[in-house]
Amino acid sequence: EVQLVESGGGLVQPGGSLRLSCAASGFTFSSYEMNWVRQAPGKGLEWVSYISSSGSTIYYADSVKGRFTISRDNAKNSLYLQMNSLRAEDTAVYYCARQRGSLGINWFDPWGQGTLVTVSS
Amino acid sequence: DIQMTQSPSSLSASVGDRVTITCRASQSISSYLNWYQQKPGKAPKLLIYAASSLQSGVPSRFSGSGSGTDFTLTISSLQPEDFATYYCQQSYSTRTTFGQGTRLEIK
Repeated sequence: EVQLVESGGGLVQPGGSLRLSCAASGFTFSSYEMNWVRQAPGKGLEWVSYISSSGSTIYYADSVKGRFTISRDNAKNSLYLQMNSLRAEDTAVYYCARQRGSLGINWFDPWGQGTLVTVSS
Repeated sequence: DIQMTQSPSSLSASVGDRVTITCRASQSISSYLNWYQQKPGKAPKLLIYAASSLQSGVPSRFSGSGSGTDFTLTISSLQPEDFATYYCQQSYSTRTTFGQGTRLEIK
């Protein structure tokens, strides 16, 4: 069964740091591009970051660029999101999602269950 | 960034109704459009990819159409388990964006 399990969320003070992990199983992790998507409480979905299968290509949303770092360890079947200089507006459930595609069209499937990050003093 | 606008933002309907949700892109995105369903406290689930392709395991009452800037998600006969929030997503740009969501509620 294809599965993504996030961990590492919690309560952190403004200006603090947190590292999220996403453990993948049931598929060849090293063959897939991956993404982080977040959802603030009661709000919609916001794409955060993308990493290619090898890790050589990375993109960020403007809202997190310079503060967040995406990475992966294909030997450990794991995806990471290092979050620094956290702000109250970063409070959200963070999902990792596998990217699939055909003929240049991409979609996210599956998604992990999410991990909640709360930035508050 | 490409802006995605869904309408309506919320919708009340009854079991058995036919429902259509619209998604409009701020520029042409060809068929680079996906639809997701999200239930409270759960992760989004892929329904439709590439505008009209039904994800494996998704009931055939769900269908998608459109290209360019205007897209629709149609549920032919609402079932109790379909009451949820639906999001469109464009994957034309490397910086993917989502619509604001359409909350489908029981009338």
